[in-house]
Amino acid sequence: TQLLEQSPQFLSIQEGENLTVYCNSSSVFSSLQWYRQEPGEGPVLLVTVVTGGEVKKLKRLTFQFGDARKDSSLHITAAQPGDTGLYLCAGARAAGNKLTFGGGTRVLVKP
Amino acid sequence: DTAVSQTPKYLVTQMGNDKSIKCEQNLGHDTMYWYKQDSKKFLKIMFSYNNKELIINETVPNRFSPKSPDKAHLNLHINSLELGDSAVYFCASSRGTGGPNEQFFGPGTRLTVL
Repeated sequence: TQLLEQSPQFLSIQEGENLTVYCNSSSVFSSLQWYRQEPGEGPVLLVTVVTGGEVKKLKRLTFQFGDARKDSSLHITAAQPGDTGLYLCAGARAAGNKLTFGGGTRVLVKP
Repeated sequence: DTAVSQTPKYLVTQMGNDKSIKCEQNLGHDTMYWYKQDSKKFLKIMFSYNNKELIINETVPNRFSPKSPDKAHLNLHINSLELGDSAVYFCASSRGTGGPNEQFFGPGTRLTVL
């Protein structure tokens, strides 16, 4: 059983559509990060959220940290083929503690 | 200018062999990590070093031995390779052990054990 559960595992959409990826846990995290990984490369950090209820925007990407700091979501508006990749959430149980990664959501945006 | 680099990018070897993967970061970070990503893309931490000191050692077979000659380098040596060791290994670094612990990853080393 993973500490962080991501859903869905796979998402295929057409260019221009919106999508949401979820990251859920029964544990509280001091911070949560989202990474994107492209084939043959390492994960690249997109955002870090630390405050319950926090919302951060990165162009067409909106990240939200749950009020109880147990879950997070990533919403992409008007997805583009360049958004294709593996999206990973990762949480730290305490400041500076090791990161625990979710199982990832593979997103495919078709032109 | 590569921030976190790993060599080699690909490693194909026979069962029972011993191999090493090297990692270097030029970000001035104090903490470095080794992760293993399996075929299902699940990323799991193996080791972490802070200023050359081992701080995280997950349940990893003792055939895996990390070495940090200085805080910019963290190498991974694997003895008596097994089929189940086949995976992509990622090195990462972060500024320290405090704060949100944002990590920067290398490009990965794909290890295939035949």
